[in-house]
Amino acid sequence: NAGVTQTPKFQVLKTGQSMTLQCAQDMNHEYMSWYRQDPGMGLRLIHYSVGAGITDQGEVPNGYNVSRSTTEDFPLRLLSAAPSQTSVYFCASSQQGDTQYFGPGTRLTVL
Amino acid sequence: AQSVTQLDSQVPVFEEAPVELRCNYSSSVSVYLFWYVQYPNQGLQLLLKYLSGSTLVESINGFEAEFNKSQTSFHLRKPSVHISDTAEYFCAVSNTGGFKTIFGAGTRLFVKA
Repeated sequence: NAGVTQTPKFQVLKTGQSMTLQCAQDMNHEYMSWYRQDPGMGLRLIHYSVGAGITDQGEVPNGYNVSRSTTEDFPLRLLSAAPSQTSVYFCASSQQGDTQYFGPGTRLTVL
Repeated sequence: AQSVTQLDSQVPVFEEAPVELRCNYSSSVSVYLFWYVQYPNQGLQLLLKYLSGSTLVESINGFEAEFNKSQTSFHLRKPSVHISDTAEYFCAVSNTGGFKTIFGAGTRLFVKA
């Protein structure tokens, strides 16, 4: 039981490049979320999903896309990277409203 | 809409002293409340949670928090801290049966020898 896995752990992009952050969970959780963590701002919700085929926006969705084709996977796509997207990104999964299980994070730098 | 306010961004404390990390929330519906801990260069992990029942909840490493509905608070306490408790602590709220969890900005606890 690996829990929540994220790849890559580190990534450096140039402004304008696109990329996908991968997230997978093996706990059969319905709910999955993407957060970004910035100093002094805690975790801010980017997008979330309540099941395969269902996604919705969080607090800071601009510049990011998500899809949920399976229960296990919830990738986050950066369409055209900007320096303001430099952050640490965490994926999490949970059952309804209960404990969030977090992945180890992806540290992204956009130059 | 829900929100969470952690009243202290940093709390320095000496080893073996008591500590309280404060958390207030706002919500128009019933809530679940959580405290998560993040050790350096790691992800977040659950410390304790309130879903229902007793308003006082405890963790396995000596922390406790009390749900106070009238004051909309969920403060975290420990009677005697250790160096190993140095970490960032996040308070979070989700509405019962809801889809989203909202986090506070975090409190950095620094335990000094």
